[in-house]
Amino acid sequence: GQNIDQPTEMTATEGAIVQINCTYQTSGFNGLFWYQQHAGEAPTFLSYNVLDGLEEKGRFSSFLSRSKGYSYLLLKELQMKDSASYLCAVEGGYQKVTFGTGTKLQVIP
Amino acid sequence: EAGVVQSPRYKIIEKKQPVAFWCNPISGHNTLYWYLQNLGQGPELLIRYENEEAVDDSQLPKDRFSAERLKGVDSTLKIQPAELGDSAVYLCASSPNGLETQYFGPGTRLLVL
Repeated sequence: GQNIDQPTEMTATEGAIVQINCTYQTSGFNGLFWYQQHAGEAPTFLSYNVLDGLEEKGRFSSFLSRSKGYSYLLLKELQMKDSASYLCAVEGGYQKVTFGTGTKLQVIP
Repeated sequence: EAGVVQSPRYKIIEKKQPVAFWCNPISGHNTLYWYLQNLGQGPELLIRYENEEAVDDSQLPKDRFSAERLKGVDSTLKIQPAELGDSAVYLCASSPNGLETQYFGPGTRLLVL
């Protein structure tokens, strides 16, 4: 089975940096996704990590440690529009993707 | 390029009534997914299709839920009869071959009274 843990809620200040953690225990592992979901909207793709290390894409970076079953999403220079839920999802055996419950991020002025 | 299309966007029905949702994936995407998402939760997979074949329906409540993907393109998800606990957002997603990023549709928000 798959078990994915991430904090339920986080609050951060506009212009700051925030790190959203995700830990997982899965049967089989092919890769880890991060998705952003604004309230009332569909999830949109942010990143996909297969190998250990940090991948940077603009203001967003994602890190993976397969040996520790750990990932984080790093958001820099926070903007008000970054207020959303951030979903960690693991692709396990048979290409099955399991989503975490999501972390609701609130960016305050 | 057009995204994943779903209809209807909203549906309100009384319990025990049937309901159906429709999804048109991105052109050329062989893999199609149906998810259920409750408020404050992540999407939960109901069924995954590779072309017209359902390759993972282990979490589909088959006593009341059914799905089809005729000709390996559009898909329909049906609930009959609906229960109060079925109130949720039903998301459809597609990917080119199941190994890549999933692209989500806007979802259908179902309210069962």
